[in-house]
Amino acid sequence: AQKVTQAQTEISVVEKEDVTLDCVYETRDTTYYLFWYKQPPSGELVFLIRRNSFDEQNEISGRYSWNFQKSTSSFNFTITASQVVDSAVYFCALRGTSYDKVIFGPGTSLSVIP
Amino acid sequence: DSGVTQTPKHLITATGQRVTLRCSPRSGDLSVYWYQQSLDQGLQFLIQYYNGEERAKGNILERFSAQQFPDLHSELNLSSLELGDSALYFCASSVGAPGPTNEKLFFGSGTQLSVL
Repeated sequence: AQKVTQAQTEISVVEKEDVTLDCVYETRDTTYYLFWYKQPPSGELVFLIRRNSFDEQNEISGRYSWNFQKSTSSFNFTITASQVVDSAVYFCALRGTSYDKVIFGPGTSLSVIP
Repeated sequence: DSGVTQTPKHLITATGQRVTLRCSPRSGDLSVYWYQQSLDQGLQFLIQYYNGEERAKGNILERFSAQQFPDLHSELNLSSLELGDSALYFCASSVGAPGPTNEKLFFGSGTQLSVL
């Protein structure tokens, strides 16, 4: 079975602080794909990043960075110097190869306070 | 704008009724996914279609059904509605492939269903 856990339900930070959103996944597949999506207050889900299980290289995109650690089954997301516009619900998602579904975690609601 | 169109944006109906939610995927996308988002269940995968064929099924109730038409648009039919069916229903699309891929999903803005 596949499962995605985001233990942090809600996080509040003050603008310009760094914040890390945790994601832990479970899968029996040796090949799988991980994603992060953002859901701003407008409601629409927006793709942020994807990572293949065979590519453990971490990625940085502007203020966003992702740390994929296969050994701990984690795919954490860090926002550096947070801004108010980062306030949203962030979802981690998993797609395996034996179960062709994209499974989402429960989401972490991030509030960035000015 | 993701390019995925969902109609209607809001739907208010009564228990026991039947409704149809419509989704038009991005131009060229062959795969359509349906998700239900509620406060207590989070974002739950319902069903996926690829080029008209059902590809994967999630926690979709028997009262719910879906299909993808030859023009690739999809409809989600919800019948014998209950109060607990009130939720935000998302449709997403991707280019699509015969097997699992790392394709990203493009989401519509959702249909907010309220069952009174």
